[in-house]
Amino acid sequence: ETGVTQTPRHLVMGMTNKKSLKCEQHLGHNAMYWYKQSAKKPLELMFVYNFKEQTENNSVPSRFSPECPNSSHLFLHLHTLQPEDSALYLCASSQDPYPGTSGRVNTGELFFGEGSRLTVL
Amino acid sequence: GQQVMQIPQYQHVQEGEDFTTYCNSSTTLSNIQWYKQRPGGHPVFLIQLVKSGEVKKQKRLTFQFGEAKKNSSLHITATQTTDVGTYFCAGATSGTYKYIFGTGTRLKVLA
Repeated sequence: ETGVTQTPRHLVMGMTNKKSLKCEQHLGHNAMYWYKQSAKKPLELMFVYNFKEQTENNSVPSRFSPECPNSSHLFLHLHTLQPEDSALYLCASSQDPYPGTSGRVNTGELFFGEGSRLTVL
Repeated sequence: GQQVMQIPQYQHVQEGEDFTTYCNSSTTLSNIQWYKQRPGGHPVFLIQLVKSGEVKKQKRLTFQFGEAKKNSSLHITATQTTDVGTYFCAGATSGTYKYIFGTGTRLKVLA
């Protein structure tokens, strides 16, 4: 139990479907991330949210749409995906590494969820 | 864009042998982290290095951060079967939350 919960754990969808991945963190962190992990590539950073604001969009195609309604929840909305989008999607959270912002000092360590394994047919 | 490479990509060792993975960034980093991912699992944080030339130890694991803060290494002494997994470094530049992961080194330990 890492304190970061992802649902669903497995998802199979067609190229015309619309689905969403959900991530919830119970650690009181203020930054949340989506990473993509596929067999032939290293962990790829997709999006970063800090205090609910998107601070990074790593040139991700628009068929992936993130949503961060509050600092504990992060969604990844999927539509008209392609087979090459099949991968393990990992959510992570961390605390602002700069002391004083939230009163806590932290290493900026990333806490990962167990991932959502996505297969696009 | 920023790239972080690791070598070797794969390493098979006999139990009891030592293991080292090297991490190289194309840009200067503010800090570097190391993660371990067991087969079928998710990355788990091992350590963070911040200072130039820093060396940290965790039991059989020794981590180093280069003087120029562009490279790092992880050395495992006397590997055990529990060390099996993929080891990733992740670098961040100053003032960002953008942790870029290395390509990873997959370690197999033969009993």
